[in-house]
Amino acid sequence: SQQGEEDPQALSIQEGENATMNCSYKTSINNLQWYRQNSGRGLVHLILIRSNEREKHSGRLRVTLDTSKKSSSLLITASRAADTASYFCATDLGGGSQGNLIFGKGTKLSVKP
Amino acid sequence: DGGITQSPKYLFRKEGQNVTLSCEQNLNHDAMYWYRQDPGQGLRLIYYSQIVNDFQKGDIAEGYSVSREKKESFPLTVTSAQKNPTAFYLCASSIYAGMETQYFGPGTRLLVL
Repeated sequence: SQQGEEDPQALSIQEGENATMNCSYKTSINNLQWYRQNSGRGLVHLILIRSNEREKHSGRLRVTLDTSKKSSSLLITASRAADTASYFCATDLGGGSQGNLIFGKGTKLSVKP
Repeated sequence: DGGITQSPKYLFRKEGQNVTLSCEQNLNHDAMYWYRQDPGQGLRLIYYSQIVNDFQKGDIAEGYSVSREKKESFPLTVTSAQKNPTAFYLCASSIYAGMETQYFGPGTRLLVL
């Protein structure tokens, strides 16, 4: 069942620019997470934001959550070539979902040196 | 060196053959998960296990089987009943079911000969 949808599907920027990715979801959530996946590799957890939080920072990452619009955004500031990867949002519905995450299809970010 | 490992990195399956993908973790996590990822797609949950000797079907369990005889191991068998097995398979674990952050292995790419 599809819950999160990232937008855009692909994003190409120059090194030093900021990258913004969005995630929309359909049902109420317990929390929302962002993961990064380098090509052909496993996912790496970046940041988690709970349903009662509006904004969270971690290094060059800034995540916002708007539960009224059922959307989240991930901002990467001062991007580097090493940020080139796919980024996925994952929602945790809580309650009877037993902690299972539902992943979106991802945004493919390309940062050109 | 703690982490989650998957083997092999690449696996080739012949028509009608069952193949088993290995997933091992030394993080002392209770919960483990198997996901399937198709090109340009998000992750879809195949099976998950909240505790040893227990596992549950995910969204796309047909044609797959699992076992959880040991806490650190959660092998996935792709049976001949899975007609379209070509995909990237990712194993993940979390401290316990409902603990939001999941830790991923490097993945196994399964190809059909």
